[in-house]
Amino acid sequence: QKEVEQNSGPLSVPEGAIASLNCTYSDRVSQSFFWYRQYSGKSPELIMSIYSNGDKEDGRFTAQLNKASQYVSLLIRDSQPSDSATYLCAVFGGYQKVTFGTGTKLQVIP
Amino acid sequence: DVKVTQSSRYLVKRTGEKVFLECVQDMDHENMFWYRQDPGLGLRLIYFSYDVKMKEKGDIPEGYSVSREKKERFSLILESASTNQTSMYLCASSGLQPQHFGDGTRLSIL
Repeated sequence: QKEVEQNSGPLSVPEGAIASLNCTYSDRVSQSFFWYRQYSGKSPELIMSIYSNGDKEDGRFTAQLNKASQYVSLLIRDSQPSDSATYLCAVFGGYQKVTFGTGTKLQVIP
Repeated sequence: DVKVTQSSRYLVKRTGEKVFLECVQDMDHENMFWYRQDPGLGLRLIYFSYDVKMKEKGDIPEGYSVSREKKERFSLILESASTNQTSMYLCASSGLQPQHFGDGTRLSIL
């Protein structure tokens, strides 16, 4: 079983819709969770961090964490073509060890 | 803003060469990391360092070594480059967390 799992996609949504990206993790002691956006040919860029159960909102982005279900998600409201990218879920498990998922490719269709 | 600078965006080398990839960060971060990223395999940790002159093996250290003589600089060394080391190499740094990435070096070994 992979430590951090994401559906590779592509996830296609129309412009203006809500994109929902999901991630599950296996290590119950994980404390911190991050979402990175990676455009093709570029490096990952941190867009959201979440540390406690519930929702965290930042502009059009909402991160959701459920530690009991070992599940973290990213919602993107009013999706724009510029949101088309691969989104990486990252889980911090202590001793500076961060495990990345392989990413979900999002395509926003104009 | 955190700035992580990798010395080259693109690099072409020949098999058997010794290759140096340099990374510098300007945030006085204790932790620095080297990853490679390949299609379908995601980010894989090669080595990391949590202090000057300290290093720890990641998931795929074979064929690589690292050097950290100063806090701000972390070098990745391919001792004898091989074609299977053709990849995108990403450097990252962090304080407690999260990690911030450089722009990446696309390395081709011919």
